[in-house]
Amino acid sequence: AQSVSQHNHHVILSEAASLELGCNYSYGGTVNLFWYVQYPGQHLQLLLKYFSGDPLVKGIKGFEAEFIKSKFSFNLRKPSVQWSDTAEYFCAVRSNTGKLIFGQGTTLQVKP
Amino acid sequence: DAGVIQSPRHEVTEMGQEVTLRCKPISGHDYLFWYRQTMMRGLELLIYFNNNVPIDDSGMPEDRFSAKMPNASFSTLKIQPSEPRDSAVYFCASSPNTGGKETQYFGPGTRLLVL
Repeated sequence: AQSVSQHNHHVILSEAASLELGCNYSYGGTVNLFWYVQYPGQHLQLLLKYFSGDPLVKGIKGFEAEFIKSKFSFNLRKPSVQWSDTAEYFCAVRSNTGKLIFGQGTTLQVKP
Repeated sequence: DAGVIQSPRHEVTEMGQEVTLRCKPISGHDYLFWYRQTMMRGLELLIYFNNNVPIDDSGMPEDRFSAKMPNASFSTLKIQPSEPRDSAVYFCASSPNTGGKETQYFGPGTRLLVL
């Protein structure tokens, strides 16, 4: 069965620190990969997505993610976080049936 | 476009009562998804529709849960009877049919508390 694993459940960083959130998926076929963000009290919003082509994907707000097929990974990165990046981050893979499989989420807390 | 619209935004009810959650997808979107989010289980897909037809309801927890999509612009998720363990945030999402490269757009969610 397809699954998504996010290794970091809770991350605390100071402003200007670099961020990397891990995401690994299990699926042997062609994958569509997503990172969603959920700010406190709000709904999920798409940060970035990968379908094909350049494995380094740029998203909104300075986020990027790299698809490494050999490692089944799609880690999210940001060189310098801000307090406003405090949120919960979800990695997801789209299955061949069309539905999204979400990871458990990573809560990021950025200290000002 | 107004985005995905959900109502009510908050619902507090007593155990045993019927709860109906409503969703209006983005106009033109062919797919509609219902999710449940809890601290313990994270984000779970309950059911999704394509062109108003339920495609996969394997995530529906039990017979107390039912979902309908009578037309392209409206869907309901009903819980009857409700139980305290149903307390969660329920999200509706929709996506266009773009040949497999669809992005899901989420609504604001309904925060349900069953006492």
